Amino acid sequence: EAAVTQSPRNKVTVTGGNVTLSCRQTNSHNYMYWYRQDTGHGLRLIHYSYGAGNLQIGDVPDGYKATRTTQEDFFLLLELASPSQTSLYFCASSDNYEQYFGPGTRLTVL
Amino acid sequence: GNSVTQMQGQVTLSEEEFLFINCTYSTTGYPTLFWYVQYPGEGPQLLLKVTTANNKGSSRGFEATYDKGTTSFHLQKASVQESDSAVYYCVLAPSGGSNAKLTFGKGTKLSVKS
Repeated sequence: EAAVTQSPRNKVTVTGGNVTLSCRQTNSHNYMYWYRQDTGHGLRLIHYSYGAGNLQIGDVPDGYKATRTTQEDFFLLLELASPSQTSLYFCASSDNYEQYFGPGTRLTVL
Repeated sequence: GNSVTQMQGQVTLSEEEFLFINCTYSTTGYPTLFWYVQYPGEGPQLLLKVTTANNKGSSRGFEATYDKGTTSFHLQKASVQESDSAVYYCVLAPSGGSNAKLTFGKGTKLSVKS
């Protein structure tokens, strides 16, 4: 049973569109993270959270909002999507230094 | 700030050859260091972890040694297999901090030919 799931797995939208990426973890972990992965840049942290209602700014937050509604659920929001946000997005959870990653969501902004 | 450098973007080997992937880091104090591996179509997963207490980690035939003097944390494997083809990330967790932000290197893509 996968402990970190993401939906959708693939998403295509247009410039200016509104997108929500979802992540759910069943690890009972306090921390959850959103990363983007791009060729030549590796993994870059967008936002993270240490519990329901909490949000911390990552290293590349511009253009992204996030919300942690429960311990299990963490959402990434792109309110005015741009082509520069075309990427592979990963969610992760952790309760110590080891992070457990989901399978990723591939987002294309046309 | 914290940084991790992996100079090798890509490594190509034949089966049974020796693997060596460079990693150097910059931070204050003594961090915890990790290697994560990402197989095609999957998210990254922990390969091994090393702290200042144990200095060396190993898993699935891979080894890494924490060298505080040269601030390096290179990954080695004596004999690679085609199934080792993946992207390998060197990762740093700062010392004394909470279990919050990890710093990832840019990754090294390993391709093993049979």
